[in-house]
Amino acid sequence: GQNIDQPTEMTATEGAIVQINCTYQTSGFNGLFWYQQHAGEAPTFLSYNVLDGLEEKGRFSSFLSRSKGYSYLLLKELQMKDSASYLCAGDPANQAGTALIFGKGTTLSVSS
Amino acid sequence: EAQVTQNPRYLITVTGKKLTVTCSQNMNHEYMSWYRQDPGLGLRQIYYSMNVEVTDKGDVPEGYKVSRKEKRNFPLILESPSPNQTSLYFCASSFLDRDRFEAFFGQGTRLTVV
Repeated sequence: GQNIDQPTEMTATEGAIVQINCTYQTSGFNGLFWYQQHAGEAPTFLSYNVLDGLEEKGRFSSFLSRSKGYSYLLLKELQMKDSASYLCAGDPANQAGTALIFGKGTTLSVSS
Repeated sequence: EAQVTQNPRYLITVTGKKLTVTCSQNMNHEYMSWYRQDPGLGLRQIYYSMNVEVTDKGDVPEGYKVSRKEKRNFPLILESPSPNQTSLYFCASSFLDRDRFEAFFGQGTRLTVV
C-alpha cells in the first residue's frame, strides 16, 4: 500500500517554530506535497518536493528524504492565522500528479 | 485570476435523485480530479482525468460518474445518491512538468443526502 502517516493534532504558540512530520512507504511516490486547509475551505498548495533536501519559502520550509520515506513541514514565526489543517500528500510514480494520496491531516492550533 | 469553480457550494437532496456537481477551470490544465473529504478519513480521490475524453477511477469511485468533454469542465455525477455519499467534495485542477507543479482546488461542495 501507499499509506501516509502524520500526527493528528499539534499545538504551538505565536512566534514559535513547529515541525509537522509525515512518513510514508518509500516505494511508488514521485514526490511529496504539503497543503494548508482552513476549516471549511479548499486546500491551498504550499510545496512540492521531488528531490531530497530542504526547500524554503518564506516562513514555510519543506524537507524530503526519499530513502527514509520522510518529509516535514517547518513553520517559523507562527501566527494565529497559521491555525489550520496541514495535509501531506504523495503522487504515485505512474500517475504524474493526477492522483494524490493524502494523509489524514495534522490540525495545528496556534495560541497567543 | 486562476480559478477552479464548483457549483453548487451547498446541496441537500434526497436518496435516489440524480444530481450533478459542476467544476470548471480557466487555466487550461490537462489534469483534473474529484475528491471527497470525510472526518477521520481525509481526502480521497474519486475520479481523475488526464485530458479530454480520458478519465480513470480513483480510490473511491463507486456510485459516481464523471465526464470530460471539454478541457475546462469536469462534472461529477451521482446517478442515485445515497446517504453514505454525504460529504465535502473538492474538484482539483493541476499541471505537472518536471519540477514545476501547480495545483488548485475548488471551493468545495457540501452535499447532504437524506
